[in-house]
Amino acid sequence: SQQGEEDPQALSIQEGENATMNCSYKTSINNLQWYRQNSGRGLVHLILIRSNEREKHSGRLRVTLDTSKKSSSLLITASRAADTASYFCATPLYNQGGKLIFGQGTELSVKP
Amino acid sequence: DTAVSQTPKYLVTQMGNDKSIKCEQNLGHDTMYWYKQDSKKFLKIMFSYNNKELIINETVPNRFSPKSPDKAHLNLHINSLELGDSAVYFCASSQDRGVWTQYFGPGTRLLVL
Repeated sequence: SQQGEEDPQALSIQEGENATMNCSYKTSINNLQWYRQNSGRGLVHLILIRSNEREKHSGRLRVTLDTSKKSSSLLITASRAADTASYFCATPLYNQGGKLIFGQGTELSVKP
Repeated sequence: DTAVSQTPKYLVTQMGNDKSIKCEQNLGHDTMYWYKQDSKKFLKIMFSYNNKELIINETVPNRFSPKSPDKAHLNLHINSLELGDSAVYFCASSQDRGVWTQYFGPGTRLLVL
């Protein structure tokens, strides 16, 4: 079954607002990764947070990880219309060749 | 320069045909992957190769056969295409097997009629 589940499945906000997406996973992890997929395009790696990290920042992105709850969140601050995309969390399974197990994704729509 | 490239970008074909999708990476990575994304955007691993050696082979019909002529290339050949094979196929690469960041190609949109 899927390793990750994301919440919400869809999110619609106005430009300038913050967007928060949550991800839950089932097994223990080495790291958790977030990817973005623009409509009709490939996936772009956004940020990787290791299991011993609790928070990580990259520009307007802030990722948190709570291994006790097996959950992560991605916060996009001061959103822009160009942030409109699907966002996926993914966890690699080290003992299975590093294959990524993806969540179902959150579709973010940022209205200008 | 494109890091991970796939050809073709779009593929429309009839049921029963055989088709191939090619993938190349210029990142010097050792590991390459094929993922399938269905109409609900769910992504699932299909295969992975590390230095031309198959290391992941998920429960995929044997009509799908990956081939890695060298560590920079991983091609996917599909025999006897079925309607259910319609999806977007993504190639990806990572520095090594394990827990590294994966870099994805732009995808190949396959439509079987």
